[in-house]
Amino acid sequence: QKEVEQNSGPLSVPEGAIASLNCTYSDRGSQSFFWYRQYSGKSPELIMSIYSNGDKEDGRFTAQLNKASQYVSLLIRDSQPSDSATYLCAVSGGYQKVTFGTGTKLQVIP
Amino acid sequence: KAGVTQTPRYLIKTRGQQVTLSCSPISGHRSVSWYQQTPGQGLQFLFEYFSETQRNKGNFPGRFSGRQFSNSRSEMNVSTLELGDSALYLCASSLQLGQMNTEAFFGQGTRLTVV
Repeated sequence: QKEVEQNSGPLSVPEGAIASLNCTYSDRGSQSFFWYRQYSGKSPELIMSIYSNGDKEDGRFTAQLNKASQYVSLLIRDSQPSDSATYLCAVSGGYQKVTFGTGTKLQVIP
Repeated sequence: KAGVTQTPRYLIKTRGQQVTLSCSPISGHRSVSWYQQTPGQGLQFLFEYFSETQRNKGNFPGRFSGRQFSNSRSEMNVSTLELGDSALYLCASSLQLGQMNTEAFFGQGTRLTVV
C-alpha cells in the first residue's frame, strides 16, 4: 500500500467550477499535511498547510482534513485556466520525512 | 527574504562521472531535504539533514550521499553516474517547530542530464 495516494487524473473541470482533489494516507501518526502545486518543468509551490481536523480556507482554496478517515482534500473554487497544474499532497509525522503522493493533474477548460 | 537557492540549474555529465549539487536554505531553516523527480515517478525522497545530521534516508543506493554544513547549506553528491540518474533534483528547506514538520519550500531545482 502506498503511503500517500492520489488519483493521477487528469481531472477536468470547466472554468468557474469547483475542483475537488483528494488524498489518503496510511500512517495514523501523521501530523502535518500539505498541498503543493507544480507546473510542468517547475518546482512545487506550497499552497496550503493543515495540521488539525476540519477546514482551512485561504482565498479560493480550502483544505479539509479528517484524521479518523485518514483523508485530506483540497477544494479550488472558481477554477481558472491558470490553476491547470499537478497538485501534490504531502504528509509528515513528527520528525519523519515528508512523503509526497504522485500528484493529480488538473485541467481547467476555458 | 531570499528563497531556497540551488546551484547549478543545469548540468550535463557523462556516465561514470560524479556530480555535486548545492542548496542554500531559507535563512533560519535548519532542515534540508533532497528529492529526485523523473517523468511519471513523482517526488522520490533521497535524504533529510537537520543540524548537520542525516535524520531520514530514502531508498537510494550508496552512490547518492549528502551533507549539511554548520550554516545549514547542504550538498548532495552522486558518484559513478548512470543514465537513469538523469532527473530534476529538488531541495526543500523547512523550519522545524517542536516535534512537527512545518511547510517545506522548494528551490528551483537542478536538472541533471547524464549522457
